[in-house]
Amino acid sequence: GQSLEQPSEVTAVEGAIVQINCTYQTSGFYGLSWYQQHDGGAPTFLSYNALDGLEETGRFSSFLSRSDSYGYLLLQELQMKDSASYFCAVRRDGQNFVFGPGTRLSVLP
Amino acid sequence: DSGVTQTPKHLITATGQRVTLRCSPRSGDLSVYWYQQSLDQGLQFLIQYYNGEERAKGNILERFSAQQFPDLHSELNLSSLELGDSALYFCASSLNSDRLKTQYFGPGTRLLVL
Repeated sequence: GQSLEQPSEVTAVEGAIVQINCTYQTSGFYGLSWYQQHDGGAPTFLSYNALDGLEETGRFSSFLSRSDSYGYLLLQELQMKDSASYFCAVRRDGQNFVFGPGTRLSVLP
Repeated sequence: DSGVTQTPKHLITATGQRVTLRCSPRSGDLSVYWYQQSLDQGLQFLIQYYNGEERAKGNILERFSAQQFPDLHSELNLSSLELGDSALYFCASSLNSDRLKTQYFGPGTRLLVL
């Protein structure tokens, strides 16, 4: 079964801030990544956390707490083009990569 | 454009058939990863190759196999196809073997098994 959990859907309005959470259970944790995927498109890398704390990349930030096996992606100043699915992902022992089920973000005008 | 190419873009075939999906990684990348994404499903990791050698295996069926050639392109072979194999198959590449943060995905091959 899935070892990562994310909310299935999130809705927000343009200009708002939204947080997408990800909890994980995995042995040999090597870092948490976030990917964005528009409908019909390929996943694209957004952010990566290997250590606890916040990583900021423009309007997107990602946070990790290894003690809580928890991370989140923060999207600020939401734009319509941010409507997409967002996946968290980890690498397990043996270099087996696991992606979460994805969170579908809908940005409303 | 990630620099990763996949062919074909679309593939329609019948149950019981065999198909080959091809992936060319970004220039300089040594690792290739294959993923399956079914309708409304997340990405399922299938297999990883690094510089021609198998490096990691995920939930890949025995009917599926892959290889990476000396020029670093990779092929995913799917045989005895079933209806449930209909999915989007992505290839990704990265420079090293363990860089989850730097995987670049190709546009995918959409497989439909009838």
